Amino acid sequence: QVQLKESGPGLVQPSQTLSLTCTVSGFSLTSNSVHWVRQPPGKGLEWVGAIWSGGSTDYNSALKSRLSISRDTSKSQVFLKMNSLQTEDTAIYFCTLHTVALYFDYWGQGVMVTVSS
Amino acid sequence: DIQMTQSPASLSASLGETVTIECRASEDIYSNLAWYQQKPGNSPQLLIYDANSLADGVPSRFSGSGSGTQYSLKINSLQSEDVASYFCQQYNNYPTFGGGTKLELK
Repeated sequence: QVQLKESGPGLVQPSQTLSLTCTVSGFSLTSNSVHWVRQPPGKGLEWVGAIWSGGSTDYNSALKSRLSISRDTSKSQVFLKMNSLQTEDTAIYFCTLHTVALYFDYWGQGVMVTVSS
Repeated sequence: DIQMTQSPASLSASLGETVTIECRASEDIYSNLAWYQQKPGNSPQLLIYDANSLADGVPSRFSGSGSGTQYSLKINSLQSEDVASYFCQQYNNYPTFGGGTKLELK
């Protein structure tokens, strides 16, 4: 069955770079697109960006200058890198999958990232 | 970016009551709207897509409606397991979400 699982450091220092991994199973990255969505504690959801089945990427315009999403199809992994982290980037980061249209059928459990010194 | 305005931000209702949550888009999104339910400590779960289509396994007491810029989620006969936060999301363009509605029992 479809599964997505995020992993990465729980704590990142301000101005440093965040690196997260989404490991997927039950589907192919070359046939499906994976997105990142984040949620600050107690707040709403924000689309971060996506890597499409063909390998191209799109990013939230507010984060674009700090963000990179890539993948390793042989390992069924998608990577998120965000630099110049600030406290406002503290959030749960989810990887998600859409199968038909751009709504999200499947979600990972999320990984909490805290930006603090 | 398309802005999604969701109301109310919080809602208190009794068991068995009917509840309605509204979502307004800053421009026409042509029914490209989804609703999610998120229980504390869990990931969001898809409830409704295409404004009014029920996702697999979602109870029929949930329904969605609307068109253009105005959409709503209705929960008939509220159950205790419906206590959660609810979010709308448009996908007519790059995805954006409403601010959420926290539903509690009265």
